[in-house]
Amino acid sequence: DAKTTQPPSMDCAEGRAANLPCNHSTISGNEYVYWYRQIHSQGPQYIIHGLKNNETNEMASLIITEDRKSSTLILPHATLRDTAVYYCIVRVVYTGNQFYFGTGTSLTVIP
Amino acid sequence: NAGVMQNPRHLVRRRGQEARLRCSPMKGHSHVYWYRQLPEEGLKFMVYLQKENIIDESGMPKERFSAEFPKEGPSILRIQQVVRGDSAAYFCASSPRVGLLDSGNTIYFGEGSWLTVV
Repeated sequence: DAKTTQPPSMDCAEGRAANLPCNHSTISGNEYVYWYRQIHSQGPQYIIHGLKNNETNEMASLIITEDRKSSTLILPHATLRDTAVYYCIVRVVYTGNQFYFGTGTSLTVIP
Repeated sequence: NAGVMQNPRHLVRRRGQEARLRCSPMKGHSHVYWYRQLPEEGLKFMVYLQKENIIDESGMPKERFSAEFPKEGPSILRIQQVVRGDSAAYFCASSPRVGLLDSGNTIYFGEGSWLTVV
């Protein structure tokens, strides 16, 4: 699975959009981009995933560049409860393939 | 739908004792994954199981650790003769079976079991 690069930490003002970047320049054509987050002392929570098209759900939007070498997770109106470590993972989907978590981005939402 | 259930949530063991952590996957899920998170570190993959089969144990320490997922009942992660370095959060995740044409499956995590070795 391709390697990802994320900034170690970011701050965001409450109520503003949080834009979390992820670089995956070695991604291959059959690898999906996944985002998870982990709030302190809790299990990781699935947020969203996509292959090449932009995706949106009730939690967030995922914007993938046309060359697929990078993506951005957007939390449209960050709240204090969004303070967490956010993990970007690229992965080929087939039975038997695991998720490997990197160090992620620690997002702090500031009141 | 109940999520992934792990128990116990907190476990304290003395050095040399055994620790058993249980994981019941989400309904309809036949794949289970175990991860370990040491204090202030990231999640490390340990083992991936299907019912009655270990598919990938490449992240499992070679000694003292074992995992099973029997035909009936929860998946068990077993740590024998625990040492202080085993103190960590152990997370279980589950997923349904993936077909080759599926549009990207995902895995869902439980709330973790915190092991403290004293």
